[in-house]
Amino acid sequence: KQEVTQIPAALSVPEGENLVLNCSFTDSAIYNLQWFRQDPGKGLTSLLLIQSSQREQTSGRLNASLDKSSGRSTLYIAASQPGDSATYLCAVYLSNNDMRFGAGTRLTVKP
Amino acid sequence: EAQVTQNPRYLITVTGKKLTVTCSQNMNHEYMSWYRQDPGLGLRQIYYSMNVEVTDKGDVPEGYKVSRKEKRNFPLILESPSPNQTSLYFCASSLSGTGSGPSYGYTFGSGTRLTVV
Repeated sequence: KQEVTQIPAALSVPEGENLVLNCSFTDSAIYNLQWFRQDPGKGLTSLLLIQSSQREQTSGRLNASLDKSSGRSTLYIAASQPGDSATYLCAVYLSNNDMRFGAGTRLTVKP
Repeated sequence: EAQVTQNPRYLITVTGKKLTVTCSQNMNHEYMSWYRQDPGLGLRQIYYSMNVEVTDKGDVPEGYKVSRKEKRNFPLILESPSPNQTSLYFCASSLSGTGSGPSYGYTFGSGTRLTVV
């Protein structure tokens, strides 16, 4: 059964730092991978969607990479800001039509 | 504005009292799904629907019912709520999907925090 792991569970950085969030999955037969942001008590906002044929996607200060062979994805945030503080979740959609979410990384960016 | 709307946002109810959480999307999406989110367990799928009148169970369907009579609406029904159904619930939709996942990116609702006492 597909396992999706996000490490670390929580991360605190000073404003302005570049940072990387990690997502690993056990089954490399994925259809796509999506990164979400969740603010406390609110819904999930889609950040980036990477199809299995792609290696990376970029949106503003965010860059997500995908390495299917090693079962890993990273979300890179450049020049972090306090407004980036949130929980970041990754979700993998498998080619057997199953979708799994990671438990998330709680990011705090300190002014 | 393209969105998924859930109601209510917050609900406190008593054990056994039937309730419905509504979900509506205005994007003409075929695929809709319900999740619950619990600390340490992440998001778990309850039910999903690939189109009108097509629904199927997710990972944790016990104690829940759904219906998809119209494309835009996908209500979640708790016939006899119990305290272990206290959770944060999310509805999500996608242009299309098969099985338990969307073929395109998900759009999520803002969530419904349910407390059953």
